[in-house]
Amino acid sequence: EDQVTQSPEALRLQEGESSSLNCSYTVSGLRGLFWYRQDPGKGPEFLFTLYSAGEEKEKERLKATLTKKESFLHITAPKPEDSATYLCAVQATGYSTLTFGKGTMLLVSP
Amino acid sequence: DAGVIQSPRHEVTEMGQEVTLRCKPISGHNSLFWYRQTMMRGLELLIYFNNNVPIDDSGMPEDRFSAKMPNASFSTLKIQPSEPRDSAVYFCASSQRAQPQHFGDGTRLSIL
Repeated sequence: EDQVTQSPEALRLQEGESSSLNCSYTVSGLRGLFWYRQDPGKGPEFLFTLYSAGEEKEKERLKATLTKKESFLHITAPKPEDSATYLCAVQATGYSTLTFGKGTMLLVSP
Repeated sequence: DAGVIQSPRHEVTEMGQEVTLRCKPISGHNSLFWYRQTMMRGLELLIYFNNNVPIDDSGMPEDRFSAKMPNASFSTLKIQPSEPRDSAVYFCASSQRAQPQHFGDGTRLSIL
């Protein structure tokens, strides 16, 4: 059974204070690892897909990296508008469905 | 472009009543997914359709839940009879082939 564990559950940062969110996973064969952002009262919004170990993707202050066992979402010099819950999900080879972690709730204070 | 559209956004009803949630996927997407999100269990897949055909319904909690997709632009998730433990946020998502899933803004369901 595919499993995704995210840590920490919650993270509070000061504006400009860089940090990383972790996503550990077990999957029979990885087709893709997905990062989503979810704002209160909204549905998850797609950020990145990573397909193989060593791959990196960047978008503004966010950078996602992937190893064979985990993924990191690095947040550089965050701003209050980066406050959200960040969800990680895996897709196994041959499947269309995603298995999600429970997310990391990020709060960035001015 | 219009995203995934869900209705209603909020539903409050009494235990035992029938609840119907609706979803319009993004035009051209051939896969549709229904999820349930709670604080305790996070985001869980309930059922998945491909080309309007149910492929995997192993996440549907019990026989009180049913889902249909009569055409490529509409799907429903029905709960009958509803129970307080069904209270959650229900999301619909759609995707095209191997592309990422795009989510609607959900229906917040409260069963009293």
